[in-house]
Amino acid sequence: DTGVSQNPRHKITKRGQNVTFRCDPISEHNRLYWYRQTLGQGPEFLTYFQNEAQLEKSRLLSDRFSAERPKGSFSTLEIQRTEQGDSAMYLCASSLGGAGGQGEQYFGPGTRLTVT
Amino acid sequence: AQSVTQLGSHVSVSEGALVLLRCNYSSSVPPYLFWYVQYPNQGLQLLLKYTSAATLVKGINGFEAEFKKSETSFHLTKPSAHMSDAAEYFCAVTKNTGFQKLVFGTGTRLLVSP
Repeated sequence: DTGVSQNPRHKITKRGQNVTFRCDPISEHNRLYWYRQTLGQGPEFLTYFQNEAQLEKSRLLSDRFSAERPKGSFSTLEIQRTEQGDSAMYLCASSLGGAGGQGEQYFGPGTRLTVT
Repeated sequence: AQSVTQLGSHVSVSEGALVLLRCNYSSSVPPYLFWYVQYPNQGLQLLLKYTSAATLVKGINGFEAEFKKSETSFHLTKPSAHMSDAAEYFCAVTKNTGFQKLVFGTGTRLLVSP
């Protein structure tokens, strides 16, 4: 168990550019979550996958945001046409859902996005 | 809908003093409650959780919390603060069934002075 990993750890981009982040969950975890955390705030839910199916999306996830989890393993979060308001820490978490586990969410170290 | 309120954005204690971080929740269904700690530029680490078993929950690093339904509270305590406890602490709530989206409070920064 190597924990949840996220890449890159930091990303600086210019307004209008596209960015993509990657999350590798704990290997046996079937659930994967994305959260966004702005300065001085708690994390806010963005979206959730069970295996490869994206089951819920927050209204915070505008049409410029897209997330995928092909084959139910790693996940990517893409932001198109970035805006300065997208600057935040993007956190990924995974959990083992269902009868086999208690569903605790384990968080990765996050990707800090700065849009200039 | 569920929500969490953390009273006090900053709490300062001396090393060796009692730590008390306050969390009140609102939930229309029986909740699960969590405390997470976040060190600078890092992700969140689970300290402890309440999942409808014992109301007094013990976690890592000497922290504990008590679920009080009558007060809708889940305050975090530690008898004796250590310098290494200085961090941001988040209380979170989720439903006890089905999909478990965490709803976080705004956090409390714990400052520990020598």
